[in-house]
Amino acid sequence: DTGVSQNPRHKITKRGQNVTFRCDPISEHNRLYWYRQTLGQGPEFLTYFQNEAQLEKSRLLSDRFSAERPKGSFSTLEIQRTEQGDSAMYLCASSQLQGRHYGYTFGSGTRLTVV
Amino acid sequence: DAKTTQPPSMDCAEGRAANLPCNHSTISGNEYVYWYRQIHSQGPQYIIHGLKNNETNEMASLIITEDRKSSTLILPHATLRDTAVYYCIYQTGANNLFFGTGTRLTVIP
Repeated sequence: DTGVSQNPRHKITKRGQNVTFRCDPISEHNRLYWYRQTLGQGPEFLTYFQNEAQLEKSRLLSDRFSAERPKGSFSTLEIQRTEQGDSAMYLCASSQLQGRHYGYTFGSGTRLTVV
Repeated sequence: DAKTTQPPSMDCAEGRAANLPCNHSTISGNEYVYWYRQIHSQGPQYIIHGLKNNETNEMASLIITEDRKSSTLILPHATLRDTAVYYCIYQTGANNLFFGTGTRLTVIP
């Protein structure tokens, strides 16, 4: 297992276009998270899944954002009608229970630039 | 959101110990403290975690005060590759990690 994989690494899109990112978690991890990180800030939580169920969504996740995790395996994050403010690094993480805490592993992220 | 306070930046000479402090005065008794670091253009990397006792692994040591309101991450012999942003985090019952802005550590040759 090579860890959490995210594709693409970089995406440049024109304002108004739709984009979709993919995350492949560590295979035995049942939890999957999406975070967004803007320049100079720490990652901000967007949403998380336990298996295929989306259990929590941040207020940052506007109606233009949708995430799925079919069959509890990989996940996709789609942004519709992109805006320049959507430019950020989108990070995926997966975790599993280790004793009494969850160990998180992050991917390398997808950097989105909206022009 | 789970609030931690860290200095925005620190320098450390190569080969010396780097001691990164963190205040987490609102932490509750069953919440773990986690440390992650992020090297430019990469995802956060797990370093260490702890609950009450001091912890050590191959990367670092974590010293947690008896009242659990603060902790210190120690990199015993800092190298240039340790230059990164270091985040001190604790997980609330919301089941996700809340990152602050971290400490930017610069290791100086």
